Amino acid sequence: AQTVTQSQPEMSVQEAETVTLSCTYDTSESDYYLFWYKQPPSRQMILVIRQEAYKQQNATENRFSVNFQKAAKSFSLKISDSQLGDAAMYFCAYRRGGSEKLVFGKGTKLTVNP
Amino acid sequence: KAGVTQTPRYLIKTRGQQVTLSCSPISGHRSVSWYQQTPGQGLQFLFEYFSETQRNKGNFPGRFSGRQFSNSRSEMNVSTLELGDSALYLCASSSPIGGSTYNEQFFGPGTRLTVL
Repeated sequence: AQTVTQSQPEMSVQEAETVTLSCTYDTSESDYYLFWYKQPPSRQMILVIRQEAYKQQNATENRFSVNFQKAAKSFSLKISDSQLGDAAMYFCAYRRGGSEKLVFGKGTKLTVNP
Repeated sequence: KAGVTQTPRYLIKTRGQQVTLSCSPISGHRSVSWYQQTPGQGLQFLFEYFSETQRNKGNFPGRFSGRQFSNSRSEMNVSTLELGDSALYLCASSSPIGGSTYNEQFFGPGTRLTVL
């Protein structure tokens, strides 16, 4: 079974600085996707960034980028120029190709200090 | 285009009762997945329905069931409620008609169920 591990239950960052959230996963599949989701206090789950396993290039979305290390099964999220609105729970998730089922990590609570 | 809607948003039940939660996907989406979120277990996959058929199922007891209607709206039912069923129940929709191999999932706001 696929598993996703987030080893940092909580992280904090100063506004305008950079923070990296860690995630490791375990799978024997070759076709899969990895995601970072943000869940603010409103509880609405929002997709932050997606990485296809077959792509070597790391995904970026504005201030958000990932470091995808396929051999090490590591998938970290870097948030640059942190903003107060980035404060939320961040979940790393795995999805096998051809399936809609998401496997989530336990989450990292990010606090942004002004 | 309207997002995923879930009703009701909040629900209080007592042990032994049953409950039905509803999820209306984005128009044109054919897949609806359900997740249970609790502080202890985190986010866990319940099941996925695609074009009225259950396509995937998580590791939950038979008290948890679901269905999908021809308009893609989905319901999940929990019978004989237990205290441990208190959770946020999220649904996600995806797979628009004419979609590709990868289709983004969009989540609803969730239903907060409290079992007393």
